[in-house]
Amino acid sequence: EAGVAQSPRYKIIEKRQSVAFWCNPISGHATLYWYQQILGQGPKLLIQFQNNGVVDDSQLPKDRFSAERLKGVDSTLKIQPAKLEDSAVYLCASSPPRPLIDEQYFGPGTRLTVT
Amino acid sequence: AQTVTQSQPEMSVQEAETVTLSCTYDTSENNYYLFWYKQPPSRQMILVIRQEAYKQQNATENRFSVNFQKAAKSFSLKISDSQLGDTAMYFCAFSNTGANSKLTFGKGITLSVRP
Repeated sequence: EAGVAQSPRYKIIEKRQSVAFWCNPISGHATLYWYQQILGQGPKLLIQFQNNGVVDDSQLPKDRFSAERLKGVDSTLKIQPAKLEDSAVYLCASSPPRPLIDEQYFGPGTRLTVT
Repeated sequence: AQTVTQSQPEMSVQEAETVTLSCTYDTSENNYYLFWYKQPPSRQMILVIRQEAYKQQNATENRFSVNFQKAAKSFSLKISDSQLGDTAMYFCAFSNTGANSKLTFGKGITLSVRP
């Protein structure tokens, strides 16, 4: 079974530029999550999708971050414009439909550096 | 809101020895799940072990076991017979139950296994 795929793995941009990350969850997984992991900290949930609907985006800085999950499969996370404090690893995770336990499967992450 | 606290930023252990990683959490809920995730350097996060709060028996997975103290809201991870491949960041995480459950992570602890 293929795991969660993310691209790119690394990205360096200047502040005020835009960037987009892509995630392909495990086939059949209904729930998709985007996390931000700042160096030395645990992941923080940015947004959670159930199929193509948003379940929780309470911690997403909506003035600059946006995310979509068209057709309930792949997802993209965009930052526009980027700030220095957005430097972090962006993790995508997915979980199967109606999980008995919230077992999430993580992708390798995208390391973003904003200069 | 739930919080997860990992007060030890880093630990070191000799290969083949046993080490215990601490975690405390705060919640008003009676039923929930607790997890330990491992994040090796530059590699993706994987689940090590999980515990359902309604189970009194501590979870074990090969060399990994937990000490779950519900009243004290404590959830420590014991790694027996430490191996070099155990070198990683370890995150304690909490999840509520239900369809829209989400993970709350601690700050993590860096574990180094010395040869």
